[in-house]
Amino acid sequence: EVLVEESGGDVVRPGGSLRLSCTGTGFTFDDYAMHWVRQAPGKSLEWLSFINWDGSSTFYVDSVKGRFTVSRDNRKSFVYLQMNDLRREDTAFYFCAKDSMSKGDSSGYPPTPIEWGQGTLVIVSS
Amino acid sequence: DIQMTQSPSSLSASVGDRVTITCQASQDVNIFLNWYQQKPGKGPKVVIYDTSNLETGVPPRFSGSGSGTDFTLTITSLQPEDIATYYCQQYVNLPITFGQGTRLEIK
Repeated sequence: EVLVEESGGDVVRPGGSLRLSCTGTGFTFDDYAMHWVRQAPGKSLEWLSFINWDGSSTFYVDSVKGRFTVSRDNRKSFVYLQMNDLRREDTAFYFCAKDSMSKGDSSGYPPTPIEWGQGTLVIVSS
Repeated sequence: DIQMTQSPSSLSASVGDRVTITCQASQDVNIFLNWYQQKPGKGPKVVIYDTSNLETGVPPRFSGSGSGTDFTLTITSLQPEDIATYYCQQYVNLPITFGQGTRLEIK
């Protein structure tokens, strides 16, 4: 069974920093790209970031570009989201998700999150 | 960025009803459209991927159709366990974008 689990959510002051962690089991971690998505309370989902299987390629939504950094450590089977200069509007549940395609897949399909964790809550408040 | 517009935003139906949720993309997304089900306190779970493919373990009362810019999620006979919020999501381009969600309730 594929399981994805996030951790590291906390209460942080505006302008502060926080690092979220994500681990996955039930699949070969370094075969898959990973995504971060967030959801403000009562709101829809906002995709944030993508990192490919070996960390050599990353993408961000404009609202977090320059403030958030995604990275991974395949030896430990972890993906991280470093969040700097946090703002009140960053308050949300943060989800990590495994991509649908393995690195060996030749279908040419674009990346998409397919299996998600339960989320970790980040609250930005003074 | 591609905008995804879902309708309705909320829906109340009876057990056994046929339920339809629509999603419109602001530009052609080909077949790269997923539908997610989210229950309170949980992460989203895919029910339909690539427009019309039923995810393993999802009951066959769920189906998806469409192409290009217009898509539909149908539940043929609503069951109490289907109560959730449903989101469409395009992934033809980054950034991946989601619809605003449809909250499904039992009448």
